[in-house]
Amino acid sequence: DGGITQSPKYLFRKEGQNVTLSCEQNLNHDAMYWYRQDPGQGLRLIYYSQIVNDFQKGDIAEGYSVSREKKESFPLTVTSAQKNPTAFYLCASTDRGGSPLHFGNGTRLTVT
Amino acid sequence: GDSVTQMEGPVTLSEEAFLTINCTYTATGYPSLFWYVQYPGEGLQLLLKATKADDKGSNKGFEATYRKETTSFHLEKGSVQVSDSAVYFCALISNFGNEKLTFGTGTRLTIIP
Repeated sequence: DGGITQSPKYLFRKEGQNVTLSCEQNLNHDAMYWYRQDPGQGLRLIYYSQIVNDFQKGDIAEGYSVSREKKESFPLTVTSAQKNPTAFYLCASTDRGGSPLHFGNGTRLTVT
Repeated sequence: GDSVTQMEGPVTLSEEAFLTINCTYTATGYPSLFWYVQYPGEGLQLLLKATKADDKGSNKGFEATYRKETTSFHLEKGSVQVSDSAVYFCALISNFGNEKLTFGTGTRLTIIP
């Protein structure tokens, strides 16, 4: 079955370390997105990519970086510059044209 | 810019009660509208969608009608179940430009038996 895989489900890191969250999709979707969700809040867009080798900053890109070397993959790196990295991170994809997003099951990152 | 405003929660209802979660939007042009549902510890799942004015999206007993005149997309269900307990997000995607999905802040729904 097609879908989006995020790994790992839970991730723990010490403050000051960079960490990379994986997102892989086999839906053949062009566009991919990273969102951050904090308790009791909505989703905030970190980065998105509409095509391979191209990506744009979302609303809260500071302290994060991404790459899009392959259509299927859109990893997110949370750098030590991100002041409050502990959150639930969601990856999504769509085949564009106003189609709905498909979401992965998320990665819960805890930084201590 | 685009924005979505939805009813603040949490909302607590008894089983078999009628549910309404309000959602209004601001957008350029003619956006597509969505309701997503998030169960604990999971990602978001598409619940229903509508792509043009007066369209009604429906799924699992939930319905929402795209009302351009009131810029609204309220979610309704006639008789809720305990299994409907989740967080519900209203969202839109503009048909102009960058196709970013804009979310409301979510409404936590708890159904008590």
